[in-house]
Amino acid sequence: DAGITQSPRHKVTETGTPVTLRCHQTENHRYMYWYRQDPGHGLRLIHYSYGVKDTDKGEVSDGYSVSRSKTEDFLLTLESATSSQTSVYFCAVETNLGEQYFGPGTRLTVT
Amino acid sequence: GENVEQHPSTLSVQEGDSAVIKCTYSDSASNYFPWYKQELGKRPQLIIDIRSNVGEKKDQRIAVTLNKTAKHFSLHITETQPEDSAVYFCAATTGTASKLTFGTGTRLQVTL
Repeated sequence: DAGITQSPRHKVTETGTPVTLRCHQTENHRYMYWYRQDPGHGLRLIHYSYGVKDTDKGEVSDGYSVSRSKTEDFLLTLESATSSQTSVYFCAVETNLGEQYFGPGTRLTVT
Repeated sequence: GENVEQHPSTLSVQEGDSAVIKCTYSDSASNYFPWYKQELGKRPQLIIDIRSNVGEKKDQRIAVTLNKTAKHFSLHITETQPEDSAVYFCAATTGTASKLTFGTGTRLQVTL
């Protein structure tokens, strides 16, 4: 499982509330990624990080922010959740060989 | 940016038959092409990958081929088994950081 955990695993929240999802890794990988998965769209990159305090936007970054203050933790924040952000969120790490491995996912429902 | 198209969206085969899933990509600079298998309610799992300096790669019953000229790559599963039933995703990237662009997935069903 590449030492990746995500928390929470499930969350239901109301429109307009802030939400933070956490990704934790134990293997000191430099690159970390946040994807969302929706039916018919596959997986789409939200944000990624290439080191502590180094982050950049992905394909669908609007409405999301990220932070990485430690190598092992990559946080995804929805500042004001909307129903369109109901999705399954996966964190991933990249090994030195360029392979990406995914965390178990967080199912987020915005009502 | 990169665009990856994947076909078919669903595929049903009988146990023991072969299955082929095809993907095309748009960015000729893409050089890494992984394939993921996702079972219901689980995380995507990397099952095989290929880099642009290789035309084919095999791992037991699965193989991936790459045609850089035509910008397409394919996953081949031989002697399919019920446990191969899952959704398969292809992806492409131009390299570090590997910002993967995924296809929309193929639901493979292996029937007895």
